[in-house]
Amino acid sequence: QSVLTQPPSVSAAPGQKVTISCSGSSSNIENDFVSWYQQFPGTAPKLLIYDNNKRPSGIPDRFSGSKSGTSATLGITGLQTGDEADYYCGTWASSLSAPVFGGGTHLTVL
Amino acid sequence: EVQLLESGGGLVQPGGSLRLSCSASGFTFSTYAMSWVRQAPGKGLEWISSIGDIDDTTYYADSVKGRFTFSRDNSNNTLYLQMSSLRAEDTAVYYCAKDLFGDFDSWGQGTLVAVSS
Repeated sequence: QSVLTQPPSVSAAPGQKVTISCSGSSSNIENDFVSWYQQFPGTAPKLLIYDNNKRPSGIPDRFSGSKSGTSATLGITGLQTGDEADYYCGTWASSLSAPVFGGGTHLTVL
Repeated sequence: EVQLLESGGGLVQPGGSLRLSCSASGFTFSTYAMSWVRQAPGKGLEWISSIGDIDDTTYYADSVKGRFTFSRDNSNNTLYLQMSSLRAEDTAVYYCAKDLFGDFDSWGQGTLVAVSS
């Protein structure tokens, strides 16, 4: 069971917007930055968002991140079939003195 | 371009040992903390260990503490993960990752470790 809670799956149509939630607590999300990772089947994860809402170079602005209290949200606009992947949130858990991840959310673009 | 290349995975019996390596290039290796993250088949990501840049201080998840040892060779831009007393639940793809203050901003392609008799 993951420290951070994500919905197992979300879906939306091409061109639409989708949000993926990541729920934590005062000992993790509320007191540290959140990052998001994208992972295609059989490949390594890729950093998508860091410091709650910053995008690494090369990540399109269709991807956005936000945080409020003990929860964080990844938003993807203008959905493309190529966005179908697993998405993971991550942060630092002070209670564990360790980085932690959410259980992952599979995005289906149908 | 940052490149991380893991090697050393394979099939090992329960209780056995294995050493993973991660060769790094494309960045000033000695100035970055590095981490190992694993992913069991069909499961999510699990951080297991980090190592500091300058002082080589190591950190471990409780699940591997006392069994795994993380080290680095800054002269050869290489990381090592020595794994012992392996268990079935250690079966996973092991990724090395460049650690930027807790954000894993570059990842290797992963190496599969299978623990089975």
